[in-house]
Amino acid sequence: DARVTQTPRHKVTEMGQEVTMRCQPILGHNTVFWYRQTMMQGLELLAYFRNRAPLDDSGMPKDRFSAEMPDATLATLKIQPSEPRDSAVYFCASGNRAEQYFGPGTRLTVT
Amino acid sequence: GIQVEQSPPDLILQEGANSTLRCNFSDSVNNLQWFHQNPWGQLINLFYIPSGTKQNGRLSATTVATERYSLLYISSSQTTDSGVYFCAVVGGTSYGKLTFGQGTILTVHP
Repeated sequence: DARVTQTPRHKVTEMGQEVTMRCQPILGHNTVFWYRQTMMQGLELLAYFRNRAPLDDSGMPKDRFSAEMPDATLATLKIQPSEPRDSAVYFCASGNRAEQYFGPGTRLTVT
Repeated sequence: GIQVEQSPPDLILQEGANSTLRCNFSDSVNNLQWFHQNPWGQLINLFYIPSGTKQNGRLSATTVATERYSLLYISSSQTTDSGVYFCAVVGGTSYGKLTFGQGTILTVHP
C-alpha cells in the first residue's frame, strides 16, 4: 500500500530554532508538493518540484524557508529561524501529472 | 488565480441522511479532486474527477467542467463521514498546483 510518509509527525520548538521536515514521496511519482494548513489561510501551496527540480516556490517566505529534494526519495522543508506565525500543519504530497496523494502532515508549534 | 468556492460551509445530519456538497470554480481546470479530512487531520483522496461522474460505495461525484462546478453526493451518511470535505483544482496554467476551497464541515449525529 504505497503512501507518502512524513517525519516528524509533531514538532514543538522555540522561536528562533531551525526546523527540518522530511517527506518520502510515493515511489515513481515525479512531482512533490509542500502545502501548509492554518485556520486563517486554509490549505496553501508553498513549493513544488518536478523530477527533483524546483518549479515554483512563490508561496514560501524566502528569507526563512527553504525546500530541497536531494534525491528522488527525500524532500525537505526547512525553516530558519522559526517564528510563532509558522505554527501550522505542513503537508507533503506527491503525484504524476494528475492525482495528488497527501502525507499525514507535520504539526509544527513554535512557542 | 483560480477561485474555488464550496457550499455549504457547515452541514449537520442525522445518520442515514443524504447530502450534496457543491464546488464552484472560476476558470477551466485540468484536475479536480475531492478530499475528506478526518478528525485526525489526514487528507484522504475521495475522487479524481476533472469531468464526468464517478461512484465509490456510498459516495459519488459529478463534475460539469463546462459549467465550472462539481458535486459530491453522500448517501446513507454514517458518523464516520464526519470531518471536512475539500474540493481542490488545478487551473489551466497552474502546472499541477492545487488550489483548495475553504471546505464543508460535515457533522453526522447518531
